[in-house]
Amino acid sequence: GQQLNQSPQSMFIQEGEDVSMNCTSSSIFNTWLWYKQDPGEGPVLLIALYKAGELTSNGRLTAQFGITRKDSFLNISASIPSDVGIYFCAGLNRDAKIIFGKGTRLHILP
Amino acid sequence: SAVISQKPSRDICQRGTSLTIQCQVDSQVTMMFWYRQQPGQSLTLIATANQGSEATYESGFVIDKFPISRPNLTFSTLTVSNMSPEDSSIYLCSVEGTSGRAYNEQFFGPGTRLTVL
Repeated sequence: GQQLNQSPQSMFIQEGEDVSMNCTSSSIFNTWLWYKQDPGEGPVLLIALYKAGELTSNGRLTAQFGITRKDSFLNISASIPSDVGIYFCAGLNRDAKIIFGKGTRLHILP
Repeated sequence: SAVISQKPSRDICQRGTSLTIQCQVDSQVTMMFWYRQQPGQSLTLIATANQGSEATYESGFVIDKFPISRPNLTFSTLTVSNMSPEDSSIYLCSVEGTSGRAYNEQFFGPGTRLTVL
């Protein structure tokens, strides 16, 4: 079945640093989504990307839909403590099913 | 985006029993989904809850184990039947966004954390 390869699996950064994570697949997706999940909560949608090449920002977050439709990245600028959590990429395939990556666990060192 | 609530938020159950999880949305939605998130893992789609017809199950999930009801456009239930410790997971419902696009984003409820002893 379709799979998303999300990297890195985890990150340890200093507060104030920029963060970059990405997702790749051998399959084409029609929509790319980025979610954040805090402990004990459901995933919260951060950014949705609908068109190949699209670059979208949401505050300090920027995400891009790869031109080949097989990849996407998420950048977080000037990280703050509340950015800690698990970030999931997800792609919608032609059957409108969401396929999730395995997540990137972001840790911020004091 | 829709406001989604789930009950219970967490439960501890004995092996062999069943638990029904409720999902309530504050607006009418066409598509509702149920996911499982095993400890430390990503989300896996269990089934799509269809209003007025049987749920559509993904490979590896069956109706006898995970019966689903969808009596109207704002409510759905997922039952985890004859539970075993392997069913310990977070169960999440989600709804499709209403942006009108061909491929819509999904919004998630807070989840139900199930522990089976």
